[in-house]
Amino acid sequence: DSGVTQTPKHLITATGQRVTLRCSPRSGDLSVYWYQQSLDQGLQFLIQYYNGEERAKGNILERFSAQQFPDLHSELNLSSLELGDSALYFCASSVGSTGGNIQYFGAGTRLSVL
Amino acid sequence: GENVEQHPSTLSVQEGDSAVIKCTYSDSASNYFPWYKQELGKRPQLIIDIRSNVGEKKDQRIAVTLNKTAKHFSLHITETQPEDSAVYFCAAITLRWINDMRFGAGTRLTVKP
Repeated sequence: DSGVTQTPKHLITATGQRVTLRCSPRSGDLSVYWYQQSLDQGLQFLIQYYNGEERAKGNILERFSAQQFPDLHSELNLSSLELGDSALYFCASSVGSTGGNIQYFGAGTRLSVL
Repeated sequence: GENVEQHPSTLSVQEGDSAVIKCTYSDSASNYFPWYKQELGKRPQLIIDIRSNVGEKKDQRIAVTLNKTAKHFSLHITETQPEDSAVYFCAAITLRWINDMRFGAGTRLTVKP
């Protein structure tokens, strides 16, 4: 167990809908990262927050948004969902703000868009 | 920045043999290179990493080499075991105020007993 908690584990929804994925980082970690992993695909970095502020942005669609709250948990909001958004979404956390800090991954949320 | 290229996409070796996975990157500012192992249905886990001021790093049966001039880095696994079977991802990260993280597409390693 990495100490990073993601909920829900599975999510099934329809096209056009909006969902929210939640991540609680390890105790003491200030950075949260979000990744998307489609079937048989690599990890796509989406976005990073550090202590409530956006610190890095990757290939995140405009339909997606994220935030990190004062208690350091983070939420990834996916709207106007499309079939292609079906994927495993991972959250990771690290102590510091730079990517050089070891990232600990959560178990992921599997999103199925039907 | 551009994506990281990772080769091969699949690799099958006999138990006890060595396995080598290579990655190339294009951003000369990249200065941190982690490798992740992801077993089927599980989360990625960091197995080794290297920073740009180091040419090689070893941890038991795993080693990583970095050639900054050529912009490539490699993962070497010696004396492979069936439990090494997994997907391995490399990443090239540029550490700065706004980080830039690029991942390879992954290599599916199968170690045959």
